[in-house]
Amino acid sequence: EAEVAQSPRYKITEKSQAVAFWCDPISGHATLYWYRQILGQGPELLVQFQDESVVDDSQLPKDRFSAERLKGVDSTLKIQPAELGDSAMYLCASSSDRGGNTIYFGEGSWLTVV
Amino acid sequence: GENVEQHPSTLSVQEGDSAVIKCTYSDSASNYFPWYKQELGKGPQLIIDIRSNVGEKKDQRIAVTLNKTAKHFSLHITETQPEDSAVYFCAATAYNNNDMRFGAGTRLTVKP
Repeated sequence: EAEVAQSPRYKITEKSQAVAFWCDPISGHATLYWYRQILGQGPELLVQFQDESVVDDSQLPKDRFSAERLKGVDSTLKIQPAELGDSAMYLCASSSDRGGNTIYFGEGSWLTVV
Repeated sequence: GENVEQHPSTLSVQEGDSAVIKCTYSDSASNYFPWYKQELGKGPQLIIDIRSNVGEKKDQRIAVTLNKTAKHFSLHITETQPEDSAVYFCAATAYNNNDMRFGAGTRLTVKP
C-alpha cells in the first residue's frame, strides 16, 4: 500500500536554529498538505499545495515558516528561527483530485525545541 | 469557516462493549466527514468516512451516522477490543474544499 513518507521522524533543535522537514506524497497525488499537531489537539492546516502552487497558506506563520514544492512532487517545510512554541508533530498528507477529499497522512515528524 | 466540536474527550469501556463518539459541525456546506484513528507516535489513519448523500455507513465493527439537519455525526465501534485503544479524530470539509477541520480528539481506552 502506498504511503506518505516523511523525514526525519524525530528532531531536537535549539531555539533560534533552523530546522527542515521533508515529505514525499503518495505517487500521483496532486494535493499536498502540511499540518501541525500540538499534543492533545487535532491537526491544524499550515499550508496546502496543488501541484507546485500554494492554494492556502493563511495559517502559516510566514515570518519564520516557509514551504515549497518546486516540482510538484516532494515538499520541504522549514522553520527559521525555531521557537519553543514550535514543539509539535508536523504531519504531511496528500490526496488525489480523483479521490474526492480522502486525505492520507504520513507518520509525522516530531519536533522538540529546547 | 468550519468549526468541529468532538465529545467526549476521553472514553473508557470494557472489552466487548460499544463505544460512541459524537461530533458537531457548523458549516452547512460541509459534506464530507472522515474519522481518523491515531496511535501513539503515529500519524492519523483513515478508518471510515461518510458523504452527505448517505445517513449511515458501516464497515465490520465500525459505523458512522450523519444527521445533516442537526449538523452532527457519530462514530460507533461495537465489540471493542484492546487494540481499538487510540485517539480518534472526526473532521469535516466541503467537497473540493480541502481545508479540512478536525475535532480535538477522543482518547478511547478499552480495558481487557
